[in-house]
Amino acid sequence: AQKVTQAQTEISVVEKEDVTLDCVYETRDTTYYLFWYKQPPSGELVFLIRRNSFDEQNEISGRYSWNFQKSTSSFNFTITASQVVDSAVYFCALSSSTDSWGKFQFGAGTQVVVTP
Amino acid sequence: DTGVSQDPRHKITKRGQNVTFRCDPISEHNRLYWYRQTLGQGPEFLTYFQNEAQLEKSRLLSDRFSAERPKGSFSTLEIQRTEQGDSAMYLCASSFLADREAFFGQGTRLTVV
Repeated sequence: AQKVTQAQTEISVVEKEDVTLDCVYETRDTTYYLFWYKQPPSGELVFLIRRNSFDEQNEISGRYSWNFQKSTSSFNFTITASQVVDSAVYFCALSSSTDSWGKFQFGAGTQVVVTP
Repeated sequence: DTGVSQDPRHKITKRGQNVTFRCDPISEHNRLYWYRQTLGQGPEFLTYFQNEAQLEKSRLLSDRFSAERPKGSFSTLEIQRTEQGDSAMYLCASSFLADREAFFGQGTRLTVV
């Protein structure tokens, strides 16, 4: 069965601090995708990144960076120099070929609170 | 293209009433998904369509729930005989290809009183 675990329920930081969100996943598939989504208070889930299981290169996009390690089944997300606008719930998700890519298994989410 | 659109944004209904939600996906997206999200939880998969075909339904989707996607365009999700446990945010998403990221709408928040 697929499973995504986000052990951190809430992280509070002061603006300009870095924050790292952990994501650990379980799957028997060798072909799968991992995602991160952001859900601001408005409620809409905003896509941030997609990474396939064969690409372990880390990625940086502006203040965001992602660290994918198959050996530990982790796909962690770091926000550098956090800003108040980064306050949101962040979800890690998994989809795989077994499910015909039909469904995303989401973690429970991590609430990030950035204070000025 | 304005993204995935859901209507209504909020719905309050009395227990036992039927409700219907609509989702308009991004045009040319052939995959459409319905998810349910309760407070403090991640979205839970309900069902998905490939064009007009409903390919999978979650066990969460009791027989009171039905979803359609006529002509492979917009989709509706109907809940019959609503119960208080149905109170949640109902999210619709669409994707261009099966293994691509899904883009979500703003959701319909259902409150059953």
